[in-house]
Amino acid sequence: TQLLEQSPQFLSIQEGENLTVYCNSSSVFSSLQWYRQEPGEGPVLLVTVVTGGEVKKLKRLTFQFGDARKDSSLHITAAQPGDTGLYLCAGMTTDSWGKFQFGAGTQVVVTP
Amino acid sequence: EAQVTQNPRYLITVTGKKLTVTCSQNMNHEYMSWYRQDPGLGLRQIYYSMNVEVTDKGDVPEGYKVSRKEKRNFPLILESPSPNQTSLYFCASSLVFGELFFGEGSRLTVL
Repeated sequence: TQLLEQSPQFLSIQEGENLTVYCNSSSVFSSLQWYRQEPGEGPVLLVTVVTGGEVKKLKRLTFQFGDARKDSSLHITAAQPGDTGLYLCAGMTTDSWGKFQFGAGTQVVVTP
Repeated sequence: EAQVTQNPRYLITVTGKKLTVTCSQNMNHEYMSWYRQDPGLGLRQIYYSMNVEVTDKGDVPEGYKVSRKEKRNFPLILESPSPNQTSLYFCASSLVFGELFFGEGSRLTVL
């Protein structure tokens, strides 16, 4: 059983559409990170959210951290084929310093 | 160039033959960790190290060993590999609990 549950597992959309990926837990996290991974490569950090209720924007990507610091979401506006990849949320709970937990990932495919 | 280097990138071995996957980082990071990635399971942490000579178990440590004798190196040792350790392995490092910088991965097949 994974501490971080991501949904959906797979998302296929057309270029220009919007999408949202969710990351939920019953545990409290000191911070949450979102990574994107492309085939044959290691994950690369997109953003870190630290404060409950925080919203961060990175061009067309919007990240939210839940008020209780148990959940997060990633919203992509007007998706482009370059957004295709595996999106992973990750973090450490407040009582497990050093132990990074990852969600199972959401595979996003954006077709032209 | 700041990087995490893993070797080998690809390895096919047989059950019971000891192997070591090396990991080296040039960013002077205190924190280093190992993960395995399997379809549908995301990344699962095997071991982590907060500094030299300090290592601790992650979520799936069985069948693996690590050592941290120098700050830059964090090798993963499989004393007696089994087929269920066939996986894609990633090493990562960070300043204390910041952004994780990942290596390019090591794909291991145990026959």
